[in-house]
Amino acid sequence: GAGVSQSPSNKVTEKGKDVELRCDPISGHTALYWYRQSLGQGLEFLIYFQGNSAPDKSGLPSDRFSAERTGGSVSTLTIQRTQQEDSAVYLCASSLTQSNYEQYFGPGTRLTVT
Amino acid sequence: KNEVEQSPQNLTAQEGEFITINCSYSVGISALHWLQQHPGGGIVSLFMLSSGKKKHGRLIATINIQEKHSSLHITASHPRDSAVYICAVRPNFNAGGTSYGKLTFGQGTILTVHP
Repeated sequence: GAGVSQSPSNKVTEKGKDVELRCDPISGHTALYWYRQSLGQGLEFLIYFQGNSAPDKSGLPSDRFSAERTGGSVSTLTIQRTQQEDSAVYLCASSLTQSNYEQYFGPGTRLTVT
Repeated sequence: KNEVEQSPQNLTAQEGEFITINCSYSVGISALHWLQQHPGGGIVSLFMLSSGKKKHGRLIATINIQEKHSSLHITASHPRDSAVYICAVRPNFNAGGTSYGKLTFGQGTILTVHP
């Protein structure tokens, strides 16, 4: 019974490079969420997938950010041309459906842009 | 003004004390979550509630939908309870087209319990 997993756990990249962050949700969970936690800041919503519906991208901070979810399971968050302000912990969560079910969080990916 | 406000921002207690953390929100919600984050650790969901009260061990969560307020109580606090406690709300399903899947978070309350 694995929980939500994310990879890599840590990523250091140079400003201007692209990065990909991966999330494996709990098997059978149809809803998947990406959040960001910047140093000294609270958590903020980025994007949300529910089944085959169009994702809610309303939280993505710029067009450098994109995400996809293949086959209704694994999701990849891509940040193009990284900037120092992108440094944060990126958290993925999944839940059974988008209805009132608990969200289970992954351990996060700590991204540092130098 | 944030949609979700927590108080206090920082809380220091002695082992054994009764602790209360408050959360107020300004939007219509379908559920409220209390989350726990240990230093360097992941986030764990403590409670999800939409009405009334829930209890799990020494933790109790209450919500008053009419007053848009929730509290998290810890009885007989212990140093291992030291963590950041985060309140998060799920927007109401009928909230004008807004996705009701995502959570909106409070800033968190940093709790330190001394032995």
